[in-house]
Amino acid sequence: SYVLTQPPSVSVAPGKTARITCGGNNIGSKSVHWYQQKPGQAPVLVIYYDSDRPSGIPERFSGSNSGNTATLTISRVEAGDEADYYCQVWDSSSDHPRVFGGGTKLTVL
Amino acid sequence: QVQLVQSGAEVKKPGASVKVSCKASGYTFTSYGISWVRQAPGQGLEWMGWISAYNGNTNYAQKLQGRVTMTTDTSTSTAYMELRSLRSDDTAVYYCARDARPGAPFDYWGQGTLVTVSS
Repeated sequence: SYVLTQPPSVSVAPGKTARITCGGNNIGSKSVHWYQQKPGQAPVLVIYYDSDRPSGIPERFSGSNSGNTATLTISRVEAGDEADYYCQVWDSSSDHPRVFGGGTKLTVL
Repeated sequence: QVQLVQSGAEVKKPGASVKVSCKASGYTFTSYGISWVRQAPGQGLEWMGWISAYNGNTNYAQKLQGRVTMTTDTSTSTAYMELRSLRSDDTAVYYCARDARPGAPFDYWGQGTLVTVSS
């Protein structure tokens, strides 16, 4: 089945830019969705179809996808952005088509 | 507004079954599917399967085939996930999520249901 690889952790100072990567074989040919999950809460969609933002999600959140890497970028990071972030794709060739990355813990220093 | 409200926490013994419900509101239930996703303590998200609320078609994760059944009741806009032959490693928070079609994002999620499997 298709594998998505995320770094376990990323740390960033407040006001700086955080970049969380999601690696997969030719992931640029797939649509990538990103979810934010805070402790004890359900995941929340923050980026869909690589770079679209749901209503209510700040413009500070953006996404890109090319080649073998998709990236979630959070600009002007705030303390409230501290959370786990998961990428997700749909792999049409798999019997396990909806695939999540392992998740990245974003720590705001 | 779209809401998915799940049933309450469950404690089960190994070998038993659990059935979790997910009641949808705020949209046309049969125009979307529902995926179920679980999260073991301290672990990441694991997709379990999908059901179409339109025609009941299902697609289960290979590792759960034979132990999981997903159903819907369109009269009450409720989706159900039943997991049988429970083991300790099935202890997790179980989420339902609205899933429009293959490739679409999970745009709304239930609040989660903790299922604890313990003797």
